[in-house]
Amino acid sequence: DTAVSQTPKYLVTQMGNDKSIKCEQNLGHDTMYWYKQDSKKFLKIMFSYNNKELIINETVPNRFSPKSPDKAHLNLHINSLELGDSAVYFCASSRVGAGTDTQYFGPGTRLTVL
Amino acid sequence: GQQVMQIPQYQHVQEGEDFTTYCNSSTTLSNIQWYKQRPGGHPVFLIQLVKSGEVKKQKRLTFQFGEAKKNSSLHITATQTTDVGTYFCAPAGNNRKLIWGLGTSLAVNP
Repeated sequence: DTAVSQTPKYLVTQMGNDKSIKCEQNLGHDTMYWYKQDSKKFLKIMFSYNNKELIINETVPNRFSPKSPDKAHLNLHINSLELGDSAVYFCASSRVGAGTDTQYFGPGTRLTVL
Repeated sequence: GQQVMQIPQYQHVQEGEDFTTYCNSSTTLSNIQWYKQRPGGHPVFLIQLVKSGEVKKQKRLTFQFGEAKKNSSLHITATQTTDVGTYFCAPAGNNRKLIWGLGTSLAVNP
């Protein structure tokens, strides 16, 4: 059973398009995250939700909009895709969201914008 | 804001050699986590250190938390090709939010 799953695994699209990435966790965790990892491996947190409420919103263009329909799901919608959005996007979850919690990562979605 | 520096950024070793990566913070940390990401994979939790001066071992991996809780290290004894990947430190500051280091990418020549 996959603890944190993401779809799709790969996403290739043209500049200017709108796309969504979905994430689901079956661990019963309260907190979920979206990270962006660029080609240099830098892991940058984008958003964090706790029980469907946004708690971390780092400096991210407002073309990126997270949506959490319930605490097991956190989706990421990206409008007007740009070349610089090409990266691997990881969803993660943790029990309560404190810095002492282990984060469990999904397999990642490799987004390529042409 | 709080920053964490991880060094080296890259390390290339022969199989059997030892490897160490260091994580340094400008401020005191409440705890630190270490993660490993295999090539093409996702970060996987390795360990958490909480106490000042703490040392924990997992087989050939030794993790240390500095006495002042501002730095940490991960040491691998006698590296194997299965150790290949990027090792991230993720300390939590006083606001208990995780800050991710840039990672150390380890390559092991067989």
